Amino acid sequence: QVQLVESGGGVAQPGRSLRLSCAASGFTLRSYAIHWVRQAPGKGLEWVALIWYDGSKKYYADSVKGRFTISRDNSRDTVYLQMSSLTTEDTAVYYCARVYSGYDPDAFDVWGQGTMVTVSS
Amino acid sequence: QSVLTQPPSVSGAPGQRVTISCTGSSSNIGAGYDVHWYQQFPGTAPKFLIFGNNNRPSGVPDRFSGSKSGTSASLAITGLQAEDEGDYYCQSFDSSLTAFVFGTGTKLTVL
Repeated sequence: QVQLVESGGGVAQPGRSLRLSCAASGFTLRSYAIHWVRQAPGKGLEWVALIWYDGSKKYYADSVKGRFTISRDNSRDTVYLQMSSLTTEDTAVYYCARVYSGYDPDAFDVWGQGTMVTVSS
Repeated sequence: QSVLTQPPSVSGAPGQRVTISCTGSSSNIGAGYDVHWYQQFPGTAPKFLIFGNNNRPSGVPDRFSGSKSGTSASLAITGLQAEDEGDYYCQSFDSSLTAFVFGTGTKLTVL
C-alpha cells in the first residue's frame, strides 16, 4: 500500500525548533520529489517546501525561507522538515505529499495523514 | 493571501450539478500553468481529484470534471451525492511568487 506517514509534531515554544519526518512505504521514495504543505486551524492549504527526488534542488515559500530546511535520506525512505525560529503563525497541520509529475506544475497524488504543530508559550 | 480565488461556499441538492470556480491571473493560470483539484473532508488529508486541468486519477468518478480557460479554471460535479460534501481546493503555480499556490478553498454543502 502506497503511503506517507508524518511524525514529529507537537507543542513548541516560540523561537524553538522542531523536526518533522515523512516516511514512505509501498513505493520507491528516491524516485519522487516530495512537498510539505500546511494547513492552519480552520484555514486553507499553504505550500511550504519542495525537495527534488535526489535532494539536489530545494524550494521554499517566502513565509518559511531562512527558517525551515527540507532534506531527505533516501536510504531511510524519509524526508524531513527542520523548523526553526518558530512563531505562532507556524501553528498548523503539516502534510507531506508525493509529486505526480508530467504536468507543469506537478500535482500531489499521495498525501500523508498530517502531523499537528502547535507553537505556543 | 492566496492568489487563486474560489467562492467560499457552494451548495446543491442531490442529483444536481454544481461548479466551483478558481480565478487566477496572468502570472499563474493565465501563464499556462496546469490546474489541479483536491477534495478534503473534515479532519482528513486532501485527496487527489483532478490533474492537468481535466484528468481524473484512477478511482475518481466521472461525475467530477475540470476545465480551464484564460485566467480561470472550474471544477464541475454532476449527479451530486451526500458523500461529496466537503472542501475543494484548486492548485497551480505562480511565476511572480515562484511558488506553488492553492486556491482559497470552497465548502460544498449537499442540501
